[in-house]
Order: sequence, then C-alpha cells, then structure tokens
Amino acid sequence: EVQLVESGGGLVQPGGSLRLSCEVSGLTFSRFWMSWVRQAPGKGLEWVANMNGDGSETHYVDSVKGRFTISRDNANNSLYLQMSNLRPEDTGVYYCAREGGGFDWGQGTPVTVSS
Amino acid sequence: SFDLTQPPSVSVSPGQTARITCSGNVLPKQYAYWYQQKPGQSPVLVIYKDDERPSNIPERFSGSSSGTIVTLTITGVQAEDEADYFCQSADPTGFWVFGGGTKLTVL
Repeated sequence: EVQLVESGGGLVQPGGSLRLSCEVSGLTFSRFWMSWVRQAPGKGLEWVANMNGDGSETHYVDSVKGRFTISRDNANNSLYLQMSNLRPEDTGVYYCAREGGGFDWGQGTPVTVSS
Repeated sequence: SFDLTQPPSVSVSPGQTARITCSGNVLPKQYAYWYQQKPGQSPVLVIYKDDERPSNIPERFSGSSSGTIVTLTITGVQAEDEADYFCQSADPTGFWVFGGGTKLTVL
C-alpha cells in the first residue's frame, strides 16, 4: 500500500520561508514523478510543482516560479518543497502526490502565511 | 497553460443519476482524471484515463469523453456520494491543471 506523509507546515509571516517534506513508502520511489498540490481554505485544488524520478526535470505553476523549489532524495524516499518569499495567498493545505494513472495523495500539511 | 471548466454545483435525489461535466480544449488530446473529496479529507481518485475505474471504487461511478467534454456519471446516487468532485488533465509537457470543482448535493 502506498503511503505519503507530509510534514513541515505551520504559521509563517509574509516574506518568510518554510520547507515541506513528504515521506513515501510502499513503492519504488525513484520510478515516479511526484507533485505538490495545494488547496486554499474553502477553495479548489491547485497543482504547484512536480519533478521526475531522477530529479532532472521540474515544472512549476507560474504563481510560484522563482519562490518555490521542489526537490527529492531517492535514497530516503522523500520529496521536498522549499518555499520562500511567502505571501498570504500561499495559505492552504499542501498535499504531496504520486503521479501515475492518476494521483495518490498524502493527508496534507497546513501552511498559514499571516502576520 | 489551459483551463478546465466545471459547473459549481449539481444536485440530485438519492437513487437518481448525477452527471458532472468538465470542459477544456486539451481534453481531446489528453486523458482526464476525476477525484472525490469529502470535507476534511484528501482527494480520492475515482476515474482515471477518461473512463477507467480503480478497483476500490464502486461500479456506480463511470467516466466518458466526447470531444472537449468529459463527464463523470454516478448512477444510483447514494447519500455518501455527497462531496466535491474535481477533474484533472495535463499538457504534454507534464504541467497539470484541475477544474474548479463541483459540489454534489444529495437532496
């Protein structure tokens, strides 16, 4: 059974930074593209970024380009999202997801950007 | 990028058929995926590659595609199906987009 467990969310001031982590088990992690998806309170899903299996290719939604960086550690089956210069509109639950015939989702970690 | 458009809400009575549409210019060329999300929970995949159903999803859920529109159909809706439903697709470069979501209300 695939399991994805996010951590690292919390309260941060505008302009601050945060690093999210996602530990993955139950699959050969290095074989899969991985994504981060967020959901603002009471809103829909927004895809944020993804990375291929060996870390050589990434994509970002325009609103986070230059501020967020996705990375992975295949030796430790982990995915990361480094978020900097955070804005109030970045507030939401951040999900880690495994790509492949649809997404498998973690439980999410909440991020609140507020002064 | 591209857009996927869903109706904000759909309402049906128990036992009736619910149809939720998703439209987008990329859909004739790219697969669509559907997710169910209940309050306070993570999304769950209910349909993949337009019309395939995961083994753990009830048979009353089905998907179809016609041109720029894909449709999620729930036949014989049950109270437990009340949830938000999101469609998803990608462009060929691996950039994903979600529809705005449809709130299904079971009357």
